[in-house]
Amino acid sequence: DAGVIQSPRHEVTEMGQEVTLRCKPISGHNSLFWYRQTMMRGLELLIYFNNNVPIDDSGMPEDRFSAKMPNASFSTLKIQPSEPRDSAVYFCASTPGAKPSGNTIYFGEGSWLTVV
Amino acid sequence: AQSVTQPDIHITVSEGASLELRCNYSYGATPYLFWYVQSPGQGLQLLLKYFSGDTLVQGIKGFEAEFKRSQSSFNLRKPSVHWSDAAEYFCAVGAAGSARQLTFGSGTQLTVLP
Repeated sequence: DAGVIQSPRHEVTEMGQEVTLRCKPISGHNSLFWYRQTMMRGLELLIYFNNNVPIDDSGMPEDRFSAKMPNASFSTLKIQPSEPRDSAVYFCASTPGAKPSGNTIYFGEGSWLTVV
Repeated sequence: AQSVTQPDIHITVSEGASLELRCNYSYGATPYLFWYVQSPGQGLQLLLKYFSGDTLVQGIKGFEAEFKRSQSSFNLRKPSVHWSDAAEYFCAVGAAGSARQLTFGSGTQLTVLP
């Protein structure tokens, strides 16, 4: 079975540009997560969806960040405008069920973003 | 609020030596506990998890972890480390019956010497 699929794997962009990261969760999984990983802050949850509805977006750093999940098989994380401090690895993850704490979270391989 | 502490930022062991990575959690009720491994340039892969039952949990790649409620710990162990085990290891805790997400520790970087 395919795992969580993220694109692009690597992106280098200039400050001020819009960045869109994409994620396809594992088929049948009801919950989807976006995490950000940096050396300074470790692994941070940005937002999580259950049945395509955003449940907790308290981790989204500011209005420049937005996430959507138009259907069960696709989600985007958008940064507009991007800044150098947004450079990080962004992970998408998914899990079956409505109570993610009780289920294994499956991670994608990450999108490595560098903003110059 | 739940929290996870991994007190060792970096551990170095020789290949063939035993390994123990520490994890302490804070949560008032029954926790769900996980260990994930992240190889360079990769996402996180689940090694093992504890929900209930036997407090000694076996995982993939020869890893095991023991849940000790009295110590609020869930340490990861391996009797003989292989060079391919060099990676970063994350402990995570979830609240049983909660719809909230897992809380991850800050990670322990493992270096394996030949």
